[in-house]
Amino acid sequence: EVQLVESGGVVVQPGGSLRLSCATSGFTFDDYTMHWVRQPPGKGLEWVSLITWDGTGTAYGDSVRGRFTISRDNSANSLHLQMSSLRSDDTAFYYCAKEGATAGPYYFDSWGQGTLVTVSS
Amino acid sequence: SYELTQPPSVSVSPGQTARITCSGDALPKQYTFWYQQKAGQAPVLLIYKDSERPSGIPERFSGSTSGTTMTLTISGVQSEDEADYYCQSADSSGTYPFVMFGGGTKLTVL
Repeated sequence: EVQLVESGGVVVQPGGSLRLSCATSGFTFDDYTMHWVRQPPGKGLEWVSLITWDGTGTAYGDSVRGRFTISRDNSANSLHLQMSSLRSDDTAFYYCAKEGATAGPYYFDSWGQGTLVTVSS
Repeated sequence: SYELTQPPSVSVSPGQTARITCSGDALPKQYTFWYQQKAGQAPVLLIYKDSERPSGIPERFSGSTSGTTMTLTISGVQSEDEADYYCQSADSSGTYPFVMFGGGTKLTVL
């Protein structure tokens, strides 16, 4: 059974930094592209970032490009999101999501339970 | 990038058929995917590659396409189907690959 468990969500001040992690199990982690997707409380889903199976390819949504950095540790089956210059509109549940196929297209067949990041003074 | 447009809400009575649309100019060129999100839970993949159903998803959920509009059809709606539904597409061809979601549709079972 695929399991994705996010951690690291806390209350942080505007302009601050935060690192989210996602521990995975139940599948061959280094076969798959991985994603972060976020959802402000009571609002819709927004794709944040992806990283290819080997970590050599990354992509970001327009609203986070230049502020967030995605990374992965295939030896530890873990995914990370380094967030900096945080703003109030970054407040959201952040989900770790597994790519649905080993060779695209981009979609998500497994999701974690989410971790809440609150940006507030 | 481009946008995916969904109706904010759809209401149906139990046993009826619900249809949720997703419109986007690039949809004929890209696959569409559908997710169900119940209150307080993570999204669940319902439909992939326009019309394929993952194992464990009931047959009453189906996807179809017509031009720039994708439709999620739920036949014989049950009370447990009350949830938010999101369409999603992606473009991996450009310099900056990206993924987009529709705004979501709240399905109310009357």
